[in-house]
Amino acid sequence: QQQVKQSPQSLIVQKGGISIINCAYENTAFDYFPWYQQFPGKGPALLIAIRPDVSEKKEGRFTISFNKSAKQFSLHIMDSQPGDSATYFCAASRGYGGATNKLIFGTGTLLAVQP
Amino acid sequence: DAGVIQSPRHEVTEMGQEVTLRCKPISGHNSLFWYRQTMMRGLELLIYFNNNVPIDDSGMPEDRFSAKMPNASFSTLKIQPSEPRDSAVYFCASGGTPNTEAFFGQGTRLTVV
Repeated sequence: QQQVKQSPQSLIVQKGGISIINCAYENTAFDYFPWYQQFPGKGPALLIAIRPDVSEKKEGRFTISFNKSAKQFSLHIMDSQPGDSATYFCAASRGYGGATNKLIFGTGTLLAVQP
Repeated sequence: DAGVIQSPRHEVTEMGQEVTLRCKPISGHNSLFWYRQTMMRGLELLIYFNNNVPIDDSGMPEDRFSAKMPNASFSTLKIQPSEPRDSAVYFCASGGTPNTEAFFGQGTRLTVV
């Protein structure tokens, strides 16, 4: 119930294309769903996050789509650029702040954007 | 703010030795997390603290691992004795309440030979 399942494991996209990464969760108590971006040799960094009261959130070229009934959420990267090449992690946590905000991470997606 | 600071960045040690990883969270943050990252298991939460108190250590693999947070600005993760299977990148992250965003440090790459 604590797992977050992420797919695909790796993804190759042409420059200008759309990258789509999917995640699914089981614990309906989760109420915070962030995506993290990690470059080699660096720690993960928050990219964008969503709460279940909305179905979509967009920040620049990055969009999260959230389907509460299906317990799924996805990251869409529009107009993918070589600089977007990184590992992307979805995550989920329960509780808005306080002592219950530990993040459960998906297994990661290695994205390569070809020029 | 300099962000979450971890030291050392790299550590190579022999099996059986004690290893201590250090973390300085972002000033004002009251939640601190230790994660371990490996190719096989991804990012695993080992332990997290809130207001310097350990809240959940269910991810600590075994008694060889211990973590402390003596004050709001410092935490350690200790492995004694270390084993080759402990080789991984260990991340520390901190977060403020009620904001659930976790800011990660650069990580410590541990190699046990």
